[in-house]
Amino acid sequence: AQKVTQAQTEISVVEKEDVTLDCVYETRDTTYYLFWYKQPPSGELVFLIRRNSFDEQNEISGRYSWNFQKSTSSFNFTITASQVVDSAVYFCALSEAGAAGNKLTFGGGTRVLVKP
Amino acid sequence: DGGITQSPKYLFRKEGQNVTLSCEQNLNHDAMYWYRQDPGQGLRLIYYSQIVNDFQKGDIAEGYSVSREKKESFPLTVTSAQKNPTAFYLCASSGGQGAFGNTIYFGEGSWLTVV
Repeated sequence: AQKVTQAQTEISVVEKEDVTLDCVYETRDTTYYLFWYKQPPSGELVFLIRRNSFDEQNEISGRYSWNFQKSTSSFNFTITASQVVDSAVYFCALSEAGAAGNKLTFGGGTRVLVKP
Repeated sequence: DGGITQSPKYLFRKEGQNVTLSCEQNLNHDAMYWYRQDPGQGLRLIYYSQIVNDFQKGDIAEGYSVSREKKESFPLTVTSAQKNPTAFYLCASSGGQGAFGNTIYFGEGSWLTVV
């Protein structure tokens, strides 16, 4: 069975600090996808990134960066120079490869609070 | 605008009543999903559908029912058999071509409260 663990339930930082969110996953599949979603207070889940299991390149998008390490089954997310608007709950998720219709297994989420 | 529309945003239900949450998408996605989120917790899969007129149970399907008569619509009925229905419900869809064909996109959610 698939499992996603986000050990940090809540992180509080002061604006402009960097924050790293940990994500560890378990799967027996050799091909899979990893995702990060942001859930602001309004409730909707906003897609941030998808990473294929066969692509271990790290990625940077503006102030966001992701570190995928297959050897340790981790897919960590860093927000650089955090801003108040980054305050949200962030979810890491895992899905099996295949045709459209993949199901997501979510971690418990990490609440990030950025104080001005 | 393209996207996933859920309605209503807020719904109150009396115990013993069935309620139906609407989900419509205009993304031409083949697959649709319903997830449940309880306060302070992650999301759990209720039902999913990969094509019209076909759907499968997720991890917590008991007390829920769905239909998929049209590609763009996937309504969820919360029945009186659901013991603890108060939660936030999120509809999602996936499909399309290219590198992001399997990415799952979400609607804005519906809050259901049993009173």
